Formats: sequence, structure tokens, C-alpha cells
Amino acid sequence: GVTQSPTHLIKTRGQQVTLRCSSQSGHNTVSWYQQALGQGPQFIFQYYREEENGRGNFPPRFSGLQFPNDSSELNVNALELDDSALYLCASSTAGGGLQAGFDEQFFGPGTRLTVL
Amino acid sequence: RKEVEQDPGPFNVPEGATVAFNCTYSNSASQSFFWYRQDCRKEPKLLMSVYSSGNEDGRFTAQLNRASQYISLLIRDSKLSDSATYLCVVSGGYNKLIFGAGTRLAVHP
Repeated sequence: GVTQSPTHLIKTRGQQVTLRCSSQSGHNTVSWYQQALGQGPQFIFQYYREEENGRGNFPPRFSGLQFPNDSSELNVNALELDDSALYLCASSTAGGGLQAGFDEQFFGPGTRLTVL
Repeated sequence: RKEVEQDPGPFNVPEGATVAFNCTYSNSASQSFFWYRQDCRKEPKLLMSVYSSGNEDGRFTAQLNRASQYISLLIRDSKLSDSATYLCVVSGGYNKLIFGAGTRLAVHP
């Protein structure tokens, strides 16, 4: 399955954080979502074959990497209080463009980030 | 306007009740539709896909009305274990998922 680390993280405003995700074996696409308390997950961006392939309404201080070994990272710079949320990664086999066909996404358990 | 809007919750129902959730979406070009279930402090999990012809999985029935851009989920004979947040989800470009805010269901004895 999809795994994420760490489970919980506490940072202070202005710091930088890196969250990690290990995709399901054979999946070539990873998406990251932010879920604030009481809200549904919001799409941050997607990586396909190690390149960003679609981005939601998030500022450039949110960035990511995808590696050939099914792992990926979400980096957030200059943390703000509103960045406190559950960060979810989801892997799938579909990707590659705006018209890419849909395939089920499998979510990891998430990393709960608290910014003080 | 939010891209996906759901009934506000929470829904508090007794065991055995039938409960219906509704959802509307704004992008008429959306192609795929889903209901996800999310337990407290856990990740969302796919409950079922939604098709224009309607689909049923045991006690769960989902319907899609493309003309009205409306999605529904019906749960019959509610169980305590059905207590969770139900998320209406629409696919966008790049295989991304667009989630509603979710409707919380609490089933009590």
C-alpha cells in the first residue's frame, strides 16, 4: 500500500518541512492533497514520471519531487499557521496530461502537520 | 461557488434507518464521479464509483444526474459501522480529485 512519514509533525511559523510518501509498487503517478480540519482534501499537485503534471491553487512555496523508486516528497517553505492540516498522498497508474484517463487513486494514511 | 457542494451535516440516525446524501458539482465537463468514506483521522477510501445508470453495492446505492449535475448516495439499513464522513468526489483534469467538504453521519443504537 501507500505509506507516509512522519505520522505527525510540529513546526513553527517560517520553518520549512519535507513530507514523504512511498507509492504503491508499479504506480507512476502521485498526487498530494491538503485537508484542513472540517474540509475535504484539496488538490496540491500531481507528479508523473518525476515531473509536475498539474497543480491546484497553491503558492510556489509548495513544491514536490518524485523519484524513480516509487517515493516522493512534498516540501513546504516559509510555513504559515494556515498550513496546519492533514497532508495526503495518493498514487495511481494514470497520469500524463490533462486528458489522461482516470484510474483509482490509493491514499496513504497522511501526515498531520501542526504549525505554531 | 465551490466546485463540489454537499449537504451540511451531521446526520444523526438510528440503526436501521435509511439516509440519503446529496451533492452538486459545477463543472459540466466532469467525467468521473465517486463517493469516498473517511473515518475520523484516517485517509479517504473509495466507497463506490457513480454512473449515469446508477449502481448498487449491497446497502449502498449511488445515482448520477448529468443534466442537473447532481449526485446522490443512499444507505439502507444503517449500521453503527457506517458512522463516518462521506465525501462526494468529482474528477478534474490531470486525474485529480475534487472533493466536497463531506457530510458526517452518526448512526446510534
